Amino acid sequence: DQQVKQNSPSLSVQEGRISILNCDYTNSMFDYFLWYKKYPAEGPTFLISISSIKDKNEDGRFTVFLNKSAKHLSLHIVPSQPGDSAVYFCAASAGGNKLVFGAGTILRVKS
Amino acid sequence: DTEVTQTPKHLVMGMTNKKSLKCEQHMGHRAMYWYKQKAKKPPELMFVYSYEKLSINESVPSRFSPECPNSSLLNLHLHALQPEDSALYLCASSQGTGGSYNEQFFGPGTRLTVL
Repeated sequence: DQQVKQNSPSLSVQEGRISILNCDYTNSMFDYFLWYKKYPAEGPTFLISISSIKDKNEDGRFTVFLNKSAKHLSLHIVPSQPGDSAVYFCAASAGGNKLVFGAGTILRVKS
Repeated sequence: DTEVTQTPKHLVMGMTNKKSLKCEQHMGHRAMYWYKQKAKKPPELMFVYSYEKLSINESVPSRFSPECPNSSLLNLHLHALQPEDSALYLCASSQGTGGSYNEQFFGPGTRLTVL
């Protein structure tokens, strides 16, 4: 049972435009959500996170939105840059050490 | 120092070999993790050490044996692996448990090939 789902395997965006990556979850016990970015042959890099008591968290070009009633979160990247091209993983935690990852979305930013 | 380091970067081993993967962090984090990642898949949790004690073993076969000699070091001992164990092995660390303490920072990984 996939508790964290990223339904779009890939996304292509023009440089300078907004990238929106989506993530859905099923476990209502999740209380902390994270986004990671991964380049090939490297480890994931932590990008941004949000607690379930918030609905928005912003860090520079990256903003994460959480809609608890819909069990949905999204990552907005504005403006998108070619260096943002990578695989983006959504992850969720239910208070312990364990992170549950989504399958990932490949973002391609075209110049 | 905000890095998690892993050695070696690449490892090729036969099915009868014994080898070890090493991971180190100097961020004062008290939780350390081993993940396995196959191509085009998300990281898959193997083990968690919390305060140098094994707290989670995700039913990993005994041919993988973790060890946490101290709060900064984490090893993964490999013995009698199978070709399907070939993958990227990632180490991560976090401050602790729950909420923002569970923001995990990953190392670059060891690319393991089992022949």
